[in-house]
Parts: sequence; structure tokens; C-alpha cells
Amino acid sequence: GNSVTQMEGPVTLSEEAFLTINCTYTATGYPSLFWYVQYPGEGLQLLLKATKADDKGSNKGFEATYRKETTSFHLEKGSVQVSDSAVYFCALSDLAGNQFYFGTGTSLTVIP
Amino acid sequence: DSGVTQTPKHLITATGQRVTLRCSPRSGDLSVYWYQQSLDQGLQFLIQYYNGEERAKGNILERFSAQQFPDLHSELNLSSLELGDSALYFCASTGRNSGNTIYFGEGSWLTVV
Repeated sequence: GNSVTQMEGPVTLSEEAFLTINCTYTATGYPSLFWYVQYPGEGLQLLLKATKADDKGSNKGFEATYRKETTSFHLEKGSVQVSDSAVYFCALSDLAGNQFYFGTGTSLTVIP
Repeated sequence: DSGVTQTPKHLITATGQRVTLRCSPRSGDLSVYWYQQSLDQGLQFLIQYYNGEERAKGNILERFSAQQFPDLHSELNLSSLELGDSALYFCASTGRNSGNTIYFGEGSWLTVV
């Protein structure tokens, strides 16, 4: 079946540090892949997505590349800010875009 | 603003009571999803509706039920509430105009005392 596994948190980084949050998936075919961000007290917001192999999604300095060969979609940012403190969820949708599968979320805290 | 509207934003109720959470999906979206988020359980999929019909069921308790109405809004009914039902309940929607992406509302905070 379809599933998403993402690295456990919490993650604590100093401002301007490099961020990587690992995400791997299990799916049949070519699912769409997503990263969502949840700021404190808010709902999940789409951060970026990729719909086919080798696509790179990017937004707000965050990037993730759809790697079919390693079934991965790792989230990266070169220089994190305090305002990036949030919970990050990796997700995939099935081929029909009908069912969505979420990872357990990774909490990120950025300290000045 | 995701375009998904949930009400109420907060509610506090006693054990044994029943509450109804309401969701209006993004304009044109036919699919509505309900999720529960608690501190120790992460994001749990409860149920999905598509154009008024139940499409998929996740970890939804028998005390919980949902429906989607002809105008596509949805309601999640939680009954015989227990302390452990305290959580953030999200509604999300997707459809042809959503680019295969699911969009979330801001959630309804339920506290059972």
C-alpha cells in the first residue's frame, strides 16, 4: 500500500543553518508528492509539490526533488530563519489524486 | 487563505455530549476529508466524501459520523464524547480546480472536560 515515512523530530537548528528533513515513500506508479507546513495554532499549508520524477518543487527558499530511484522527497533549505519554526509534513497522493497519505510530521525549532 | 472554512474554531464541551463540526470546501471542490490531530497521535485520517457519497474511511470511531450535503458542505458529528477526543479536527478539500492538491481549513479545536 501507499505510505510516507519522514524523519522523527524534534529538530532544533540555529538561525542560518542548513536544513534537511528526510522523507521516503512507498507507492505504486507515480504519485504526486507534497510538503505541508503547519505554523503554531494554524492549519496545514501547502509548501511545495512535485508531480513527476526529477521534478523539483520550491517555495520560500525550500526545495525538494522527486527521486524515483530512491523513492525520496527530502526537504531542504540553505539558511533557516526563526520564522521557519513549524511542523513539516511530507505527503503523497495516489494516481487519481483521490487519496492522500501523510507522514507523522517533523517539528522544527530555529533559535536565534 | 486556503478557501476551506471550518466552524466553530474553538469549543469546549463536557464528556458524554455531542458536537457538530462544519466545513465548507473550496469553491468547486467535490471531495471533503476529515482529519484528527492530537498531540500523541499525529494527523489521523477519519473519512472522505465525494459529491455527497462516502468514498473512504480511516480510523473513525463508531461514535463519530459525517455527511456531505448537496451544497457540498460537510459536517462531522462527534457523540458520547470522551476526554481523549480532545483534539484539533481538520477539514480539507480537493477537486479538479485544486491541481491534485489537498487544501486544509484552519481547524476546529475541541476540548472535552
